[in-house]
Amino acid sequence: GESVGLHLPTLSVQEGDNSIINCAYSNSASDYFIWYKQESGKGPQFIIDIRSNMDKRQGQRVTVLLNKTVKHLSLQIAATQPGDSAVYFCAENTRAGGFKTIFGAGTRLFVKA
Amino acid sequence: ETGVTQTPRHLVMGMTNKKSLKCEQHLGHNAMYWYKQSAKKPLELMFVYSLEERVENNSVPSRFSPECPNSSHLFLHLHTLQPEDSALYLCASSPKLRGTGGANYGYTFGSGTRLTVV
Repeated sequence: GESVGLHLPTLSVQEGDNSIINCAYSNSASDYFIWYKQESGKGPQFIIDIRSNMDKRQGQRVTVLLNKTVKHLSLQIAATQPGDSAVYFCAENTRAGGFKTIFGAGTRLFVKA
Repeated sequence: ETGVTQTPRHLVMGMTNKKSLKCEQHLGHNAMYWYKQSAKKPLELMFVYSLEERVENNSVPSRFSPECPNSSHLFLHLHTLQPEDSALYLCASSPKLRGTGGANYGYTFGSGTRLTVV
């Protein structure tokens, strides 16, 4: 079935290291992907997006990689900071069965000082 | 501030109570959404409104009743809820309804209402 999932529910990294959060999706009809960050007590916040005609997109300290061959999405955070501690969600927009946005369950990132 | 404001932030209600959640967006967006966020589960879409018209209802029980009086305001009316309805309820908006004109949009979320049903 259609699903967006995360390989690891939690990730712990040392401050200053790079973080990589992974996401698998199963719907080949998905054409737009988004990463959200959710801090404690707040709603999800848009971080970066990528369209299916791209395989890489960079923002400020963040990079999203899309591998359509294996239906895999990743979020790389450079020089991770304590303020990066949060739950990260991937989401896919798909046109299969009507336009839908499917969210993953989330990965919690802990940054150790 | 994201531009999407939800009130109240926290709500405790009994199973026989009636309460309402409010969402207001100051972004000029045309589409608004209600999502339910439960522990260890992906976000669940409840309702979608586009220009004040409900365009999607994802098999949500009738004890949840949405209302969209204008494109800036969205309500979720609650009555005779069950303890399993306890969750974080998130409101979101987007410039247009996803897929409109072939475009894709991310959402702007509010901070949510933490609902506890006792």
